[in-house]
Amino acid sequence: GNSVTQMEGPVTLSEEAFLTINCTYTATGYPSLFWYVQYPGEGLQLLLKATKADDKGSNKGFEATYRKETTSFHLEKGSVQVSDSAVYFCALRGPDSWGKFQFGAGTQVVVTP
Amino acid sequence: DVKVTQSSRYLVKRTGEKVFLECVQDMDHENMFWYRQDPGLGLRLIYFSYDVKMKEKGDIPEGYSVSREKKERFSLILESASTNQTSMYLCASSLGGSDQPQHFGDGTRLSIL
Repeated sequence: GNSVTQMEGPVTLSEEAFLTINCTYTATGYPSLFWYVQYPGEGLQLLLKATKADDKGSNKGFEATYRKETTSFHLEKGSVQVSDSAVYFCALRGPDSWGKFQFGAGTQVVVTP
Repeated sequence: DVKVTQSSRYLVKRTGEKVFLECVQDMDHENMFWYRQDPGLGLRLIYFSYDVKMKEKGDIPEGYSVSREKKERFSLILESASTNQTSMYLCASSLGGSDQPQHFGDGTRLSIL
């Protein structure tokens, strides 16, 4: 079945540091890939998505590229802010899964001033 | 913007009670989902619905049921609440295509005493 593996947290960074959160997947066919962010006490918000190989999703300074050859979708941001402190989830939606999503376990990111 | 509204942010109920969690979306989405989120366990799918009056079991349906009488509303029912159902419950909706993201509500934090 489909699965998503992302790096464990917490990831602790200083403000303006470079952030990478690794995400790899296993899927049948050609899934779409997503990153979501969850702030404390809230639901998940869509951060970015990519729907085919070599697509790059970007939003709010975050980027991720759909790499089919390495089955990866790593999230990056060049200069984090304290307000980026949150939990980040990698997810996929496969064409064969009745519309179901598969989420990674989430990575907590803590940015200190 | 898509709006997914969950009826309560916080709810406290007693063991054995029948509990209803309501979710409404305003974007004519075919698919709706209920998850629970627990520390260390990530998001777990309880039930989903790909059309009115249609429902499919997710990964942890035991102790829950759902109702989808109208396209915009998806209700989660705890038939006889137990303390191990204390959790954060998240509702989501999406269009049917495999490239479509889910949109989440803010969650209901349910405590069963």
